[in-house]
Amino acid sequence: GENVEQHPSTLSVQEGDSAVIKCTYSDSASNYFPWYKQELGKRPQLIIDIRSNVGEKKDQRIAVTLNKTAKHFSLHITETQPEDSAVYFCAASASWKSSGDKLTFGTGTRLAVRP
Amino acid sequence: DAGVIQSPRHEVTEMGQEVTLRCKPISGHNSLFWYRQTMMRGLELLIYFNNNVPIDDSGMPEDRFSAKMPNASFSTLKIQPSEPRDSAVYFCASSLGMGQETQYFGPGTRLLVL
Repeated sequence: GENVEQHPSTLSVQEGDSAVIKCTYSDSASNYFPWYKQELGKRPQLIIDIRSNVGEKKDQRIAVTLNKTAKHFSLHITETQPEDSAVYFCAASASWKSSGDKLTFGTGTRLAVRP
Repeated sequence: DAGVIQSPRHEVTEMGQEVTLRCKPISGHNSLFWYRQTMMRGLELLIYFNNNVPIDDSGMPEDRFSAKMPNASFSTLKIQPSEPRDSAVYFCASSLGMGQETQYFGPGTRLLVL
């Protein structure tokens, strides 16, 4: 089955700096890669996702890149703000498989943005 | 839409008691997922349903855990008997299914077993 590894487990940046979180996956059949943000005491919420037919996607200050050959994808947050402080999870799935709805999550990255 | 609804939001019980967690998915969603989240183990998928049928229950810890989905708008996760190590936040999530993979999480049930 799929295995997703996420690094780093914790990340501290100065407000205004950029933050990068990286994930690798094992199943070459995976074709959908979402990122979730979970604030303290709240539910995980989707912030951006990418499908295997594109290499990069941006939404304001966040972007995700995908390298299918190397089987890794990354989340980039620019101009970080204190409200970006949260735990971020990457995930992967193979939508065409019979278990295509199943997401395999990484272990999470705790991002702290210092004012 | 109200989103995914879970109840109760908090549950405190004593070891050995039965615990039932409830979930109402987003209307029209065909897939439903139960997750458990702890500091030690992170976010674990316990079981998921598609069109009310269990598809993958490989994450269910042991026979003390059971899940049902009697209809498209309701699911339960039951722990009997409960143990202190079951203390965690349990999330329910739903998605459209049929290849639409975005999952929407409920607010979670925070379970404490004494």
